[in-house]
Amino acid sequence: GAGVSQSPSNKVTEKGKDVELRCDPISGHTALYWYRQSLGQGLEFLIYFQGNSAPDKSGLPSDRFSAERTGGSVSTLTIQRTQQEDSAVYLCASSLVVAGQETQYFGPGTRLLVL
Amino acid sequence: RKEVEQDPGPFNVPEGATVAFNCTYSNSASQSFFWYRQDCRKEPKLLMSVYSSGNEDGRFTAQLNRASQYISLLIRDSKLSDSATYLCVVNLGTGGFKTIFGAGTRLFVKA
Repeated sequence: GAGVSQSPSNKVTEKGKDVELRCDPISGHTALYWYRQSLGQGLEFLIYFQGNSAPDKSGLPSDRFSAERTGGSVSTLTIQRTQQEDSAVYLCASSLVVAGQETQYFGPGTRLLVL
Repeated sequence: RKEVEQDPGPFNVPEGATVAFNCTYSNSASQSFFWYRQDCRKEPKLLMSVYSSGNEDGRFTAQLNRASQYISLLIRDSKLSDSATYLCVVNLGTGGFKTIFGAGTRLFVKA
């Protein structure tokens, strides 16, 4: 079946512009995560959605970052007034709990470059 | 102390070698454990889950030591294609964000 998809795959923007990144999770997965990964670094948790519960936004680095998940499916991560330090790969993952074990499946990521 | 710690490496090994990675976690309430593999400029992909009794998948063996709070990954007969970053992942349970990724261990397998 289809995996997690993300768009765009690459985004180049100018400092100060807003960007929107999209994630389409695997159908039926109730949880959705956004991570950020800078070159050569580990995954940095940004935000987590689980069903209809309030999202866990504890990883968002500033109020310029926000995310929505509409209808429990597609999610959009928005970065306002982008800065050069926002340049990174933004990864989305969705997950399913089976037999009490949750496994995350990642999309290919969006590579964001802020000039 | 980080919640999940890994030796960043890199580990440089010849083809055919056996290599092992360890990962320690700080929360004794952790419930499930995984190894993910991440190739250069690619997304992480699930390599294998780690079960309490230990488990094997071909050349890969994963083990869990709850008492000492570490998990391990053993790769036998290394292939060039095993070159990647291996991420240790710990989940504290469902019902909220409780999945913690380690920073990864880099492996280079040389011909």
